[in-house]
Amino acid sequence: GAGVSQSPRYKVAKRGQDVALRCDPISGHVSLFWYQQALGQGPEFLTYFQNEAQLDKSGLPSDRFFAERPEGSVSTLKIQRTQQEDSAVYLCASSLVVGSNPGANVLTFGAGSRLTVL
Amino acid sequence: GENVEQHPSTLSVQEGDSAVIKCTYSDSASNYFPWYKQELGKGPQLIIDIRSNVGEKKDQRIAVTLNKTAKHFSLHITETQPEDSAVYFCAASKGNAGNMLTFGGGTRLMVKP
Repeated sequence: GAGVSQSPRYKVAKRGQDVALRCDPISGHVSLFWYQQALGQGPEFLTYFQNEAQLDKSGLPSDRFFAERPEGSVSTLKIQRTQQEDSAVYLCASSLVVGSNPGANVLTFGAGSRLTVL
Repeated sequence: GENVEQHPSTLSVQEGDSAVIKCTYSDSASNYFPWYKQELGKGPQLIIDIRSNVGEKKDQRIAVTLNKTAKHFSLHITETQPEDSAVYFCAASKGNAGNMLTFGGGTRLMVKP
């Protein structure tokens, strides 16, 4: 696709419900990231995939958060037993290459999924 | 880990004036510094970036400067226009792990016509 596509754009969940957020990266992009953006703050790293391998999940706030990218393209971020503090915009980003030239690894972000937990 | 501080948090300027946003970073191994613009309801969009082997980069009305010794970098927007109004984020990366970015807290820029 032309850009990074995320769905749903908006999700309202009752506390305790499970949610799944989907990311369709740009076709052929190797790297995929999930970020969490609380209201009025900068994005914070959650997890990183290189193809289907989850190489870094150090930013996931608890074991209620789980991400996967089984075929190296589409990724899903799942949050179990949602809490009010999970309310945020969840951003997905992808980049084309893996390598030591950071200028070539420009991250392109999707529009995000806004999660509101009541 | 890396820590990026950004100032000011809000900035209001008159149309046609210049705007400057400043960021500092903590990890001397960081070597890539992008700036993103985020409009309401949208994801961050890259507007300019700079690598550590360059001190300054300019693209039309936008310029970024980098001082590696002091570990700070700045975004300069000249001849501001109302459509420049948005939230701007600086970020830093060591270029590893697929270019994982650490973001600053953001600056809300308001350009008054």
